[in-house]
Amino acid sequence: EVQLVESGGGLIQPGGSLRLSCVASGFTVSSDYMSWVRQAPGKGLEWVSVIYSGGSTSYADSVKGRFTISRDNSKNTLYLQMNSLRAEDTAVYYCARVDYPSGHFDYWGQGTLVTVSS
Amino acid sequence: SYVLTQPPSVSVAPGQTARITCVGNNIGSKSVHWYQQKPGQAPVVVVYDDSDRPSGIPERFSGFHSGNAATLTISRVEAGDEADYYCQVWDSSSDLWVFGGGTKLTVL
Repeated sequence: EVQLVESGGGLIQPGGSLRLSCVASGFTVSSDYMSWVRQAPGKGLEWVSVIYSGGSTSYADSVKGRFTISRDNSKNTLYLQMNSLRAEDTAVYYCARVDYPSGHFDYWGQGTLVTVSS
Repeated sequence: SYVLTQPPSVSVAPGQTARITCVGNNIGSKSVHWYQQKPGQAPVVVVYDDSDRPSGIPERFSGFHSGNAATLTISRVEAGDEADYYCQVWDSSSDLWVFGGGTKLTVL
């Protein structure tokens, strides 16, 4: 059974850093495309970043240069390093597996809440 | 950047048919996916690749797209279908994934 479990969210001051983790089971993260999607309170879904099976990455313009997606193959875990956090980064962050070649998100975690506030 | 536009809300009586649209430039040339999200829960894909359904999703959910619009159709709507629905595409030319703004489906 495929499962994704996020952790690492919390309250952080503006300008601070936080690292989110997503432990996967039932499949191998290095063999698939993996993504982060966020949802601000009361708002819609926003794609944040992807890491391809080959290791290359892509980011939404809103986080480019501040966030870094990575993975640890030995731990079957996906990460999102978030630096220079802003109030507008406040959201529930979901990790999701990307089905290739269609590009849809077939499995999602339960999400972890990041609150950026002083 | 690529933009997908959805109506903020759609209302329908139980047993009727709900149609949720998603407008994007030449969306007919892309694979469109639809997600259902209930309060406090992660999204769930209900239609992928324009018209395919994952196992466990009722046949009442169907998708179609052509030209600049895609449509999610929910037939014989039930109270349990009340949720937010999002369309999504992968713009592979720009290496970006895009969601529509979401549509709140209310079952009257």
